[in-house]
Amino acid sequence: GAVVSQHPSRVICKSGTSVKIECRSLDFQATTMFWYRQFPKQSLMLMATSNEGSKATYEQGVEKDKFLINHASLTLSTLTVTSAHPEDSSFYICSASPGGNFYGYTFGSGTRLTVV
Amino acid sequence: QQQVKQSPQSLIVQKGGISIINCAYENTAFDYFPWYQQFPGKGPALLIAIRPDVSEKKEGRFTISFNKSAKQFSLHIMDSQPGDSATYFCAAGGYNQGGKLIFGQGTELSVKP
Repeated sequence: GAVVSQHPSRVICKSGTSVKIECRSLDFQATTMFWYRQFPKQSLMLMATSNEGSKATYEQGVEKDKFLINHASLTLSTLTVTSAHPEDSSFYICSASPGGNFYGYTFGSGTRLTVV
Repeated sequence: QQQVKQSPQSLIVQKGGISIINCAYENTAFDYFPWYQQFPGKGPALLIAIRPDVSEKKEGRFTISFNKSAKQFSLHIMDSQPGDSATYFCAAGGYNQGGKLIFGQGTELSVKP
């Protein structure tokens, strides 16, 4: 089946620094990937749509200059949290689907970001 | 119109019992309704999904019931086991959403031995 890998699984960074999170589709190509954020005991909230070879589309209220998304290949999307602050601490999860199938997105295992 | 409302927020069921979680949506353009299971510290895993052209789908102990006219769908877990203890999310999306999923608020299920 489709496998989506995220790296790192956990990261701790100092306030003001930047952190990059990778999302890879291991056995399929993904023209579109989605990035979600999940705070403790809450639901998943879509942050942005990552499109291979073009600019990401951000959901309302998500700062595009803080959350930089790069989808440089058909198997890799990265999310960079710039100038991270404690309020950015969250669980970040990506998803992708083979061939852009709208009905079968697989989620990665998530990245726990803690900003101290 | 993009909301998906999920209930209950938490659920305690005895081993062997039936767990029932309900969701309601507003946007009739949704045409894909998946259920995800999430364990602490892990990403959500697809359990079962349904399209609006059928009213029920069963996979093992998991069944989705779908009521298009009421804009509601539910997950039934038969013979619930302690290993089923997790958080369950319903979601809605599909073609008109370009693959985006709108998630319900989640239900924390605890199955007591």
